[in-house]
Amino acid sequence: DSGVTQTPKHLITATGQRVTLRCSPRSGDLSVYWYQQSLDQGLQFLIQYYNGEERAKGNILERFSAQQFPDLHSELNLSSLELGDSALYFCASSVGGDRITEAFFGQGTRLTVV
Amino acid sequence: GDSVTQMEGPVTLSEEAFLTINCTYTATGYPSLFWYVQYPGEGLQLLLKATKADDKGSNKGFEATYRKETTSFHLEKGSVQVSDSAVYFCALRSTPLVFGKGTRLSVIA
Repeated sequence: DSGVTQTPKHLITATGQRVTLRCSPRSGDLSVYWYQQSLDQGLQFLIQYYNGEERAKGNILERFSAQQFPDLHSELNLSSLELGDSALYFCASSVGGDRITEAFFGQGTRLTVV
Repeated sequence: GDSVTQMEGPVTLSEEAFLTINCTYTATGYPSLFWYVQYPGEGLQLLLKATKADDKGSNKGFEATYRKETTSFHLEKGSVQVSDSAVYFCALRSTPLVFGKGTRLSVIA
C-alpha cells in the first residue's frame, strides 16, 4: 500500500460527459501529480500541484483541469469527454515539489468513455 | 528536454532466464535514475534507484548501474520468476519524473 488513495477505481461514462477523479496523497506529502496511461502513449504527465499551487504543466488538454485543496487532496476534472480519453489515470505524491527523489503512486482510476 | 528511451516490449522469458531491459536517457547534468514496476491491476512502485554516476541500485534480485559514459541504466536480473511478470518503467529525476514508455515482461513456467 503506497498510502495514495484514488477514487473511484473504475468509471464508465458517455461521450460529452464530465467526470471528477479524486486523489488523497500520502500523509505529509505536499506534491500531487496526475498522469495518464494509455496503451499507445505510455505514461503522460498531465499536471503537478505543490501545496495548493500549480507547479508544472504537461500535456494536459484544455478540457481537463485540476486543483489541490487546502487539505492537500486533489481532483482532476475531465469534461466534454471523447472516446480517446479512455485511459488509466494515476495520481502520485511526493514530499517535495522540485527534483523529487521518489513518487508514490495510487492504484489508478480506469476511465472508459463509451 | 529530458527524456528516457527504453526497449520496446513485450519481452517473454522462461523462468530462471536472464533478464536485461535497456534504458538510455537524455538530460542536463546527472539526474537520479529510477526503475518503477507496475504489477497487473496496480499502480507503479519504486523498484530501485541510483543517485549518481557509477551507483548500483538493487532490490529483489534486480540491479541497474548508472553509466554516465553511455547515459544508460539497464535493468538486469539473473534468474526471473513468474511473479516478476509486470511492466517496467525507467525514469529520471526531473520536474516531474520523466518516464520511458514501459516494457512488459511475461515470464512463463
